[in-house]
Amino acid sequence: EVYLLESGGGLVQPGGSLRLSCAASGFTFNTYAMGWVRQAPGKGLEWVSSITYTGTDIVYADSVKGRLTMSRDNSKYTVYLQMNSLRADDTAVYYCARIGSISANFDYWGQGTLVTVSS
Amino acid sequence: DIQMTQSPSTLSASVGDRVTITCRASQMISSWLAWYQQKPGKAPKLLIYKASSLESGVPSRFSGSGSGTEFTLTISSLQPDDFATYYCQHYNTYSRTFGQGTKVEIK
Repeated sequence: EVYLLESGGGLVQPGGSLRLSCAASGFTFNTYAMGWVRQAPGKGLEWVSSITYTGTDIVYADSVKGRLTMSRDNSKYTVYLQMNSLRADDTAVYYCARIGSISANFDYWGQGTLVTVSS
Repeated sequence: DIQMTQSPSTLSASVGDRVTITCRASQMISSWLAWYQQKPGKAPKLLIYKASSLESGVPSRFSGSGSGTEFTLTISSLQPDDFATYYCQHYNTYSRTFGQGTKVEIK
């Protein structure tokens, strides 16, 4: 069974940093692209970043470019989201998701981890 | 940037109703559109990809259509489990953009 477990969320001050992790299991991790999607409290979904299965190509939403960095470690079946220069509008539940090889869309999701940026 | 606009924002319907949600793209996107369902406090679930392809395990009462700039998600006979928020999403190699969501409520 495919399983994705995010961790690393919490309360951080504006301008601070946080690193999210997403541990994957139940599938051959190094053959799937992965992504992060966030959802501010009471708001809709916002795509954040995607990474190819090799990790060589990474794309970002304009709203996070230059501040958030996605990476992966295929030996650890884990993707990461390094979050720097955090702002109040980065407050959201952050979901890790697998990109399906046939659908090319987010076919499996984690349960999400909450990041709160506040002083 | 491509913008995705869904209508309506909220829809009230009864069990057994046929429900249609519309998604419009600000420019031509061919068939690069997906639909997701999200229930409160839960992660989204992929329903449809490439505008009309049903994801494995999704009930056949869900269907998608359209191409270019206008797309629809149809639920042929609304079931109690279908009351949720639905999002369309454009995708390509470089970015993904969600619509603002359509909440399907019990009438």
